Amino acid sequence: VQLQESGPGLVKPSQTLSLTCSVSGDSVDSGLNYWSWIRQPAGKGLEWIGRIYTSGVTNYNPSLRSRVTISMDTSKNQFSLKLNSVTAADTAVYYCARDGPGYFFLYWGPGTLVSVSS
Amino acid sequence: QSALTQPASMSGSPGQSITISCTGTSSDIGGHDYVSWYQQHPGKAPKLLIYEVSNRPSGVSARFSGSKSGNTASLTISGLQAEDDADYYCISYTSGSTYMVFGGGTKLTVL
Repeated sequence: VQLQESGPGLVKPSQTLSLTCSVSGDSVDSGLNYWSWIRQPAGKGLEWIGRIYTSGVTNYNPSLRSRVTISMDTSKNQFSLKLNSVTAADTAVYYCARDGPGYFFLYWGPGTLVSVSS
Repeated sequence: QSALTQPASMSGSPGQSITISCTGTSSDIGGHDYVSWYQQHPGKAPKLLIYEVSNRPSGVSARFSGSKSGNTASLTISGLQAEDDADYYCISYTSGSTYMVFGGGTKLTVL
């Protein structure tokens, strides 16, 4: 199973951060797992952003819920993250990960750095 | 601050054993056996070491072991090696609204 994040590495303040995670070796709509986004600011710890299940069910970190949307494109075997109204505090390495089976992250993408700057 | 408490840093010499603690509450670590541990080298994605408190995924060295007592989970690394020099994170399922809670990470230095 491999995951790969893609998207712009630079986003202007107040705009929307958009990332896509392409999955190979597994199916995002298998119904066996959730698919999560996690981020890590430079030199800091990990923060769970949210996750999506095959039926489109989503869960979000309450601290980010008002700004986050996670969606899935089963035809492309991808899932995506949109974070709106970004500020410098959203600058981080963003990881996508397979969430499960069970409550752990076995497979991760390599991560992509997104900087928020004008 | 992080929901789970880990020591910020620890150190050990090659061959020694070291135990990293992760303290939470009865809503997360104390209430469920869904604690996992991850190793992260600089510039790399985290790697799963332990899941469900004490289970090792295929391919992870038996030098890594996990346990739990009350609201505290522990990761023990035996026979420290140079390549164990890394950051370690604990994660737990929580019955709270955040679904998963994370530790702040422990930087392990192998002297």
